[in-house]
Amino acid sequence: SAVISQKPSRDICQRGTSLTIQCQVDSQVTMMFWYRQQPGQSLTLIATANQGSEATYESGFVIDKFPISRPNLTFSTLTVSNMSPEDSSIYLCSVGTPYNEQFFGPGTRLTVL
Amino acid sequence: GQQLNQSPQSMFIQEGEDVSMNCTSSSIFNTWLWYKQEPGEGPVLLIALYKAGELTSNGRLTAQFGITRKDSFLNISASIPSDVGIYFCAGREGTYKYIFGTGTRLKVLA
Repeated sequence: SAVISQKPSRDICQRGTSLTIQCQVDSQVTMMFWYRQQPGQSLTLIATANQGSEATYESGFVIDKFPISRPNLTFSTLTVSNMSPEDSSIYLCSVGTPYNEQFFGPGTRLTVL
Repeated sequence: GQQLNQSPQSMFIQEGEDVSMNCTSSSIFNTWLWYKQEPGEGPVLLIALYKAGELTSNGRLTAQFGITRKDSFLNISASIPSDVGIYFCAGREGTYKYIFGTGTRLKVLA
């Protein structure tokens, strides 16, 4: 499986600011995804990061709030914009394989004050 | 969004006991994945299931893809303290999208 790293691993931010989370994979992958895991909850898909085109967002998530970049097949960023305390969550990137598996990065733990 | 129902929500068991948990849905899925998540880490893939009725093992873990394609089961045999964590199922909806279960929190008493 691919080795996936995320930066930062955690951050504490003030409301109204934005944070950009990076996801780096050690091999080229076609499918990359961003998930949110609210405290004590399960995982919810935010969007699919498409290389060379706009991300595909799930219901309830919009580009203005969660802009995503995917400049190549090994890297993606997720920005959490104009943050509020409700955005305090773990943000996870994952990669898909041709066998329909998904492997996750270690996550970014975000606290918004 | 939609979530899969996992049962039980949490469980305390004695070391050495076998553990069973399940995941049910009103929708049919084409693939089931089972993950374990420990505090401060991302979910780790344990087992992938691709066909109805499929039974797959990974060490002390065994998972089954339900015949109806609406459920899946995970068993852990002879539990040990390091089995502690949250176990998530995930069902594939469409080409690549996974819906995740509500999670089963496992605590093992030595």
